[in-house]
Amino acid sequence: AQKITQTQPGMFVQEKEAVTLDCTYDTSDPSYGLFWYKQPSSGEMIFLIYQGSYDQQNATEGRYSLNFQKARKSANLVISASQLGDSAMYFCAMREGMGYSSASKIIFGSGTRLSIRP
Amino acid sequence: DGGITQSPKYLFRKEGQNVTLSCEQNLNHDAMYWYRQDPGQGLRLIYYSQIVNDFQKGDIAEGYSVSREKKESFPLTVTSAQKNPTAFYLCASSRRDGHYEQYFGPGTRLTVT
Repeated sequence: AQKITQTQPGMFVQEKEAVTLDCTYDTSDPSYGLFWYKQPSSGEMIFLIYQGSYDQQNATEGRYSLNFQKARKSANLVISASQLGDSAMYFCAMREGMGYSSASKIIFGSGTRLSIRP
Repeated sequence: DGGITQSPKYLFRKEGQNVTLSCEQNLNHDAMYWYRQDPGQGLRLIYYSQIVNDFQKGDIAEGYSVSREKKESFPLTVTSAQKNPTAFYLCASSRRDGHYEQYFGPGTRLTVT
């Protein structure tokens, strides 16, 4: 069974500092994808970054990067130069079976609440 | 503009009543999903569908039902059998192959008293 674990329920970070949000996963499928989403207090889910299991390089999107350590089954999100607007819940998610014909589901971790201090 | 709509934003029902939450997308996505979110918690998968007229149970399907008669629509019915239906419900869609992210609707906050 697939599983996503986020061990940090809450974090406080000073504005302009970098922050790492942890995510570990468990799967026996060699083909999978990892996603990070941000959920502000409004409730909307905002896609941040994606990493495929066969991608050779770590994904980056602006201030977001994904520290992918396949052997450790770890997919940590790094936010550089944090801003007040980064305060939100952050969720790690995983999908197994990446092909078009596979009826794969996407599951989410329990989330980390990030609070940025001015 | 392409996107996902969920209506209504807030829904109130009496215990024992069935209620249907709507989800419509105009992104031409094959796959659609329903998640439940309780306060301070993560998203739990209720049902998902990869194609019209087909759907699979997620991790917490008991007390819920869905249909997928049209590609654009994936309504969720919360039945009276669901023991604790008060929650925030999120609908999402995506391309069927796995390399693409899900797009989420704004959610429906259901309160049952």
